Amino acid sequence: DGGITQSPKYLFRKEGQNVTLSCEQNLNHDAMYWYRQDPGQGLRLIYYSQIVNDFQKGDIAEGYSVSREKKESFPLTVTSAQKNPTAFYLCASSTQHGAEQYFGPGTRLTVT
Amino acid sequence: AQSVTQLDSHVSVSEGTPVLLRCNYSSSYSPSLFWYVQHPNKGLQLLLKYTSAATLVKGINGFEAEFKKSETSFHLTKPSAHMSDAAEYFCVVNSVGTSYDKVIFGPGTSLSVIP
Repeated sequence: DGGITQSPKYLFRKEGQNVTLSCEQNLNHDAMYWYRQDPGQGLRLIYYSQIVNDFQKGDIAEGYSVSREKKESFPLTVTSAQKNPTAFYLCASSTQHGAEQYFGPGTRLTVT
Repeated sequence: AQSVTQLDSHVSVSEGTPVLLRCNYSSSYSPSLFWYVQHPNKGLQLLLKYTSAATLVKGINGFEAEFKKSETSFHLTKPSAHMSDAAEYFCVVNSVGTSYDKVIFGPGTSLSVIP
C-alpha cells in the first residue's frame, strides 16, 4: 500500500520542550512539504524539500526545523522558539514541486 | 501577485440539491489549478486538477470544475449533494516554475449538507 504516514496522530508536550513529528512516504516522490493548520483556517507552508539533502523555508518557518536525509523521510522539529505550537500539522509529498500533493493523515500537537 | 479567493467561507445545501463552491484566482501565467477536500481531523485528498488540457475537469465522487480564463475562475460543482460531501474544500493555484514559484492554497470553504 503506497502512501504517506504521520506519527503519532496526537502528541502532547510541555512548553519549552522540542518535539519531532514524523513523516514517511513510500510513493518515491521527490518533493515533500510541511503545513500548519489552525482551527477554521487554511494551510500555511512551514518548509518544503524538492530533493534529498535540500529544503527551503516556507511562509512560517520561524521556530521550526527540518531535515531530508532520506528520500522517504521528512521529519519536522517544533522547537521551544515557536511561540504558538499547538496546531494540526500536515505532511504532503508530490512527484515534483508543483505537482498535485498527496497528504498524510496529520498530527495534532498540543503544547501546555 | 498570485492569489486565490474562495468567495464563500461557508456553504449550506440540502441533500440531493446542487453544490457550487466558487474559486477565483489571480495569476500572470496560465496556472495549474486543483481542488482538495478535507474531512474533519483528516488530511487533504485531491478531488481534481486542471493542467491546461480540457477546460471542464471531472474528478472523484461526482465533482467537476470548469476553468474559465476570461473570468479567472475555477468553480467546483456537483449535481446532487450527499451527506458524505460535508467537509472543507480548498482551491489551490500552482505557480511553480514561474517567477512567483509557489503553490497557493485558498482559505477554504466549509460545506454543510442538510438532510
